[in-house]
Parts: sequence; structure tokens; C-alpha cells
Amino acid sequence: NAGVTQTPKFQVLKTGQSMTLQCAQDMNHEYMSWYRQDPGMGLRLIHYSVGAGITDQGEVPNGYNVSRSTTEDFPLRLLSAAPSQTSVYFCASSWGGVETQYFGPGTRLLVL
Amino acid sequence: KQEVTQIPAALSVPEGENLVLNCSFTDSAIYNLQWFRQDPGKGLTSLLLIQSSQREQTSGRLNASLDKSSGRSTLYIAASQPGDSATYLCAASFSGSARQLTFGSGTQLTVLP
Repeated sequence: NAGVTQTPKFQVLKTGQSMTLQCAQDMNHEYMSWYRQDPGMGLRLIHYSVGAGITDQGEVPNGYNVSRSTTEDFPLRLLSAAPSQTSVYFCASSWGGVETQYFGPGTRLLVL
Repeated sequence: KQEVTQIPAALSVPEGENLVLNCSFTDSAIYNLQWFRQDPGKGLTSLLLIQSSQREQTSGRLNASLDKSSGRSTLYIAASQPGDSATYLCAASFSGSARQLTFGSGTQLTVLP
């Protein structure tokens, strides 16, 4: 099992550009989520999904879109990047959302 | 607003010492609490998960406790080793939003050889 994978590892964007951060898991988990981690702060929940076709907002959803068309994949879209979105983004998965969470290695995003 | 706090932000100890990391939360209606380890530039690895009905969980040299009434959890590391050096984060989920984790900002642990 590869577990939770994320691509790319690192990305530089200019303000206003769009991009999609990819997340995939091969553990057949129903629950997937996206967090951002900023220096000196804990992780903050952006969006989460409890199954294909179902998504919901977390603590900091503004500026981000998600969709869940398959159990395996949960992409995060930035429609118009802003410097405030410079962060490290982590994807996580678990069976139903209340069990042990498995995290991906993260995507480091720099918005200039 | 539900908050999770970890103090201190950084801790250095000599190898072999037993140590305790602290985590406090503002809402006693906790669903569960997880402790994670994060190595520099890496993702998070789950160490222990304590359900609200439990008082503690153990895995090897690690023991995590949960006291809902005082709003505190501790992670005890026995006989610390340099390989234990990492950032330790606690995260709580609360009744009514059990699928949403609220993270503390972490304690950066350095175990000196």
C-alpha cells in the first residue's frame, strides 16, 4: 500500500494563478480531508469529504474548492492564488473520520 | 470556539530522561484525542488515539492520558532517545463535529545525546 500520496511536493505560483493539489489514497477510506499548516500554528481544516459525492467545509474554506468523484481521489483547487495561501498543505484519510487519521507527505506552496 | 493548546512550544531533554508533553482543550464534550509525531519536512504520523470513554492508551514507550474534567491530555515518553526528536501535535475532535480535528500548535522536542 502506498497509503496517502500527494502531488506535487513543491509548487510556486504567481498571484491570480490557479492550480490543483492532488491527493490519493489506496486504503479504501471513505473519509478524506485537507489541512493547511502555517509556521507556529497547528493544522487547520480546509474541506473534508465523507464519501464520493459528499464534501463539506472546515474551518478555513475560503479560496479553495474540492470535489470527490471517486473514493480514492480528493483534489484541492485554488481558483485564484493569493500570497495568504502560501502554506504547507496536507491531505489525510480514515475509515469514517473518527478513527486514526493517515496523512500524506504534504505539498509546499509558495504564492508570489 | 473550541481550542487546543500545547505548552511549551519547545523542549530539550537529555537522552534517557522520562518526559511529559501537555495538551489542553477548552470543551469537555470531547469525542476523541489523537497524538501525532511530525518530523521536519514530513507528514504526520499517528501515535495514539484515545476515545472519550478511555483514560489512557499505551504503545511501547508512549503512554497518553485523557482527563475530560480538567480539559487535559498528556503524552508520556519513557527513556527518551535522540530518535524521539520531532514535533508532537495533539488534535481533538468534539461532539457535534466529531469528524473535524482541532490541532494544537505542537511541542518541538529535542533529545540530546
